[in-house]
Amino acid sequence: ETGVTQTPRHLVMGMTNKKSLKCEQHLGHNAMYWYKQSAKKPLELMFVYNFKEQTENNSVPSRFSPECPNSSHLFLHLHTLQPEDSALYLCASSQDELADPNQETQYFGPGTRLLVL
Amino acid sequence: GQQLNQSPQSMFIQEGEDVSMNCTSSSIFNTWLWYKQDPGEGPVLLIALYKAGELTSNGRLTAQFGITRKDSFLNISASIPSDVGIYFCAGDNAGNNRKLIWGLGTSLAVNP
Repeated sequence: ETGVTQTPRHLVMGMTNKKSLKCEQHLGHNAMYWYKQSAKKPLELMFVYNFKEQTENNSVPSRFSPECPNSSHLFLHLHTLQPEDSALYLCASSQDELADPNQETQYFGPGTRLLVL
Repeated sequence: GQQLNQSPQSMFIQEGEDVSMNCTSSSIFNTWLWYKQDPGEGPVLLIALYKAGELTSNGRLTAQFGITRKDSFLNISASIPSDVGIYFCAGDNAGNNRKLIWGLGTSLAVNP
């Protein structure tokens, strides 16, 4: 139990579907992240939220739309995805660096395995 | 994007053997992190290093923050079957606004 939960754990969707991934952290952190993990590639940072404000959008296509209603919850809304978007989508959280630089360590959820047909 | 050089890519060892893996970077890092990922799960933090030269242990795991701040290693002593998984290094150079730079991982297989 890492304190970061993600649902669903597995998702199969067609290219015309709309779905959402959910992440919740129970660690009292105030920064949350979405990553994409594909085979043979390093983890790709997609979005960063700090105190509910988006601070990073790493050139992610608009078919991925993040939402952070509060510091504990993070969503990734998906629409008109492509087969190459199939991957493991990981959520992570960390503490704000101003409080303690040593608390920058990111803690990950179990991920959502996404398959786009 | 930027990535760390992590080696070896994979290892197949006998139970009880010691394991060593390392990461190098062309730039200086302020933080080195080592994670382990089991199949179907997210990465789990093993050891975090915050100072050059720092040597930290977590059970059978030992990691060091290189004195040049451009490398780190992770050692596992007396490996057991549950050590199987992919080990990732990640670094933070503090100038990237929370962007961790990741290695490609070392896949470890342990033969009982």
